[in-house]
Amino acid sequence: KAGVTQTPRYLIKTRGQQVTLSCSPISGHRSVSWYQQTPGQGLQFLFEYFSETQRNKGNFPGRFSGRQFSNSRSEMNVSTLELGDSALYLCASSWGQGLGEKLFFGSGTQLSVL
Amino acid sequence: SQQGEEDPQALSIQEGENATMNCSYKTSINNLQWYRQNSGRGLVHLILIRSNEREKHSGRLRVTLDTSKKSSSLLITASRAADTASYFCATALNSGGSNYKLTFGKGTLLTVNP
Repeated sequence: KAGVTQTPRYLIKTRGQQVTLSCSPISGHRSVSWYQQTPGQGLQFLFEYFSETQRNKGNFPGRFSGRQFSNSRSEMNVSTLELGDSALYLCASSWGQGLGEKLFFGSGTQLSVL
Repeated sequence: SQQGEEDPQALSIQEGENATMNCSYKTSINNLQWYRQNSGRGLVHLILIRSNEREKHSGRLRVTLDTSKKSSSLLITASRAADTASYFCATALNSGGSNYKLTFGKGTLLTVNP
């Protein structure tokens, strides 16, 4: 069974640009959640999607948005990039209870903002 | 601020020794999970312990939970060089239905020397 797939693996952008990251969950998983990991702030929860609806949301500005498609694949978008957005972005999937159960993580997308 | 705080921040031991990491948190929780992360990669789920459980085992791993002290510990016995990684605790608090607040600690970097 394939694991959680995140693309691209690495991304370099400049300030002011926007970026879209993709996450394909494990087959059958309906919950997809996103996280930002930086050396200074550690791992922070961005949002969770279930059945194409945002179910939980962390404390990030509106520049961070996401969506989920009918096949449970999810995308995360960051608009008007700032230097502080440089981070490893991780997505995770699970069956249905989402954040309250075991999460399966992808390898992440390393975003560098110059 | 982070809900979970791991202690110590870094731990260096010899192969064959035991490693103990601690996690303290501030509010009530529904469950606590431990994850491992190899450098720059995704997280791997280790153990989930619910608030009404006191101890769980999985192979060489032993997790305890003391809700009165709001703390958990992860013990890795007979450590191997392959156990070298960062270890994170994550607390989950259900706020109704499928709404959860999931918070990660900043992690303990474990180095196992051959």
